[in-house]
Amino acid sequence: QVQLVESGGGVVQPGRSLRLSCAASGFTFSNFAMHWVRQAPGKGLEWVAHISYHEINEHYADSVKGRFTISRDNSKNTLFLQMDSLRPEDTAVYYCTCESLDAFDIWGQGTMVTVSS
Amino acid sequence: QAGLTQPPSVSKGLRQTATLTCTGNSNNVGNQGAAWLQQHQGHPPKLLSYRNNNRPSGISERLSASRSGNTASLTITGLQPEDEADYYCSAWDSALSVWVFGGGTKLTV
Repeated sequence: QVQLVESGGGVVQPGRSLRLSCAASGFTFSNFAMHWVRQAPGKGLEWVAHISYHEINEHYADSVKGRFTISRDNSKNTLFLQMDSLRPEDTAVYYCTCESLDAFDIWGQGTMVTVSS
Repeated sequence: QAGLTQPPSVSKGLRQTATLTCTGNSNNVGNQGAAWLQQHQGHPPKLLSYRNNNRPSGISERLSASRSGNTASLTITGLQPEDEADYYCSAWDSALSVWVFGGGTKLTV
């Protein structure tokens, strides 16, 4: 079935790095733009980053621009988020989501990232 | 980056009708329209509607979405206990080249 599975979350100290992965299955991954969306504890959804299906276009929220890098490997049906210079305010559940019909159509279960000393 | 504006909470009784609103501007909701997502506590969001008033397969016909100018709306009729959740709107902002979310509305039934 259609599925997105995130991994790579954990507890990390401020200033350190973490790399998230999202494995896709059940659909043609290379045909769709992909996004990362995060949700801080008890807060709403915040869009983080986008990458086009052909990897040419990337967009980032101002809050992560210059620190986070989105990428994908279409041969392995996998989406990545490289997070550098992490801050306590980056603490959140990170979801990968597939864009279809101008909306966030498919969602993973999320992976928790905690930035704390 | 400015987000979309949603009322923090709405409370309605069983079998009543709730209308949730989402206000943006001419660069996002007024231009591209909005999508609606539902999120139950402890679960990932679920897409309810896209391109203003299209429902993915499996979404109840009790839900309908619309747009007037820069404001999108989600109407849920015949409210059921399982409708109690957080609801978010989202849209692409063509001026900022970013996706924006509303702050979410907690619907209590």
